[in-house]
Amino acid sequence: DQQVKQNSPSLSVQEGRISILNCDYTNSMFDYFLWYKKYPAEGPTFLISISSIKDKNEDGRFTVFLNKSAKHLSLHIVPSQPGDSAVYFCAASAGVNYGQNFVFGPGTRLSVLP
Amino acid sequence: DSGVTQTPKHLITATGQRVTLRCSPRSGDLSVYWYQQSLDQGLQFLIQYYNGEERAKGNILERFSAQQFPDLHSELNLSSLELGDSALYFCASSVGVLATNEKLFFGSGTQLSVL
Repeated sequence: DQQVKQNSPSLSVQEGRISILNCDYTNSMFDYFLWYKKYPAEGPTFLISISSIKDKNEDGRFTVFLNKSAKHLSLHIVPSQPGDSAVYFCAASAGVNYGQNFVFGPGTRLSVLP
Repeated sequence: DSGVTQTPKHLITATGQRVTLRCSPRSGDLSVYWYQQSLDQGLQFLIQYYNGEERAKGNILERFSAQQFPDLHSELNLSSLELGDSALYFCASSVGVLATNEKLFFGSGTQLSVL
C-alpha cells in the first residue's frame, strides 16, 4: 500500500527549461510535505517543504505547489541546471497525530541535459 | 554535511551473519530514524527512537532490532542476514518527534552487501 506515489521513475529536461516533478498521496491525514534531493553515494538532503495550510511555497528556483483536493503536489525547478540532476523524493507526514514518521515516495530521477 | 554520521560506509558479509550499523545524530537532535533503500525502491521507514525510547515502528523485520543509547547515538542490528537484506541503510535525525515544519537530516548511509 503505497501512500506516496511518484509515477514517473525518470525525467529528462534540457538545461534552462522547467522541470516538473509530480507526487500523489492517498492519506488525507498528511498535512506536511517535503521534497528531498539525493545524489549518488550521498544521503538525501532537504530541498523545500509545504504545510497543508498553503498551496504554494517558493525558494529561489524551486517552487512546490499543493492541491489538497486532488491530493497532489508538484515541484517546479526553473531554470533547470545540470547540477539539479539527482533523484528527487517526495515525502509526507501527518506529524504527531499519526505515525510520527515521514512516508517517502519511490523517487524520480531527473536528468538535466546541457 | 548534514551533521549525521553513519558508520561503516560499506559492509560486505555473508548470509546468516549479523552486523551492526551505527549512527550519531546531529548535535541537539533527540530523534533518530532508520530507513532502508533497496534497489529501485524508495525509502522504507524501519524504526524511530526519541530520547532513548522507541517511538514508531515501520516495516522492520523481526530479525532486525535497534536501540538508542543515553548519548543519543543509535545502532541498527541485522541478524540472520539474507541476500534480500542487501540495501542502503540510512539514518536520519530530527530535533523532536516531527511537529509541523520539522525536517529530517540524513546521514550518507551504509551500503550493506550480503553475499
